[in-house]
Amino acid sequence: AQSVAQPEDQVNVAEGNPLTVKCTYSVSGNPYLFWYVQYPNRGLQFLLKYITGDNLVKGSYGFEAEFNKSQTSFHLKKPSALVSDSALYFCAVRRGYSTLTFGKGTMLLVSP
Amino acid sequence: NAGVMQNPRHLVRRRGQEARLRCSPMKGHSHVYWYRQLPEEGLKFMVYLQKENIIDESGMPKERFSAEFPKEGPSILRIQQVVRGDSAAYFCASSPNPGTGGEDGYTFGSGTRLTVV
Repeated sequence: AQSVAQPEDQVNVAEGNPLTVKCTYSVSGNPYLFWYVQYPNRGLQFLLKYITGDNLVKGSYGFEAEFNKSQTSFHLKKPSALVSDSALYFCAVRRGYSTLTFGKGTMLLVSP
Repeated sequence: NAGVMQNPRHLVRRRGQEARLRCSPMKGHSHVYWYRQLPEEGLKFMVYLQKENIIDESGMPKERFSAEFPKEGPSILRIQQVVRGDSAAYFCASSPNPGTGGEDGYTFGSGTRLTVV
């Protein structure tokens, strides 16, 4: 079985400050890890993925994520938050051809 | 190249009626996934289909829910005799052939928001 945990329901950060949205996973074997973002009343949009290689993955809108195998984590980061980054963020994992398993989501609120 | 198309965007049904949700995958994608989003629960996998085949329905409730992806036309998620607890956002996603190695994420539609009154 595979699972994802996003320990924070909400993350608050001031515009211009760095942000981190946490994700830990559980899967046997090598994972494929993903981050998606959901804006109000919209579907999920792909941000970035880790398949193999460099542990630091860069994605859309200035986001990046760091894969840490020993801590089974894949935290999403951005050096300088924007108000427009406010949205619901989902971490997801799959192994091989299995379906994507999502976390419960973390609401990011960036204040002006 | 249109993305994943879902319709209707909003659907209101009275208790006991049937709800039909449609999903047309991205061009070139032959795999369709349905997820349900409830407040406080995140996205829950329901079913994975290929053309004319159900591959994994481990997330589908045992009764009242069914899904199909016919040779021609969109994928349909059908909920019979809806109850208030079925009110949720239902998202469809598609992906290319997993022969790519499972490396691809999914492309999501904008969802159908079902309200049961």
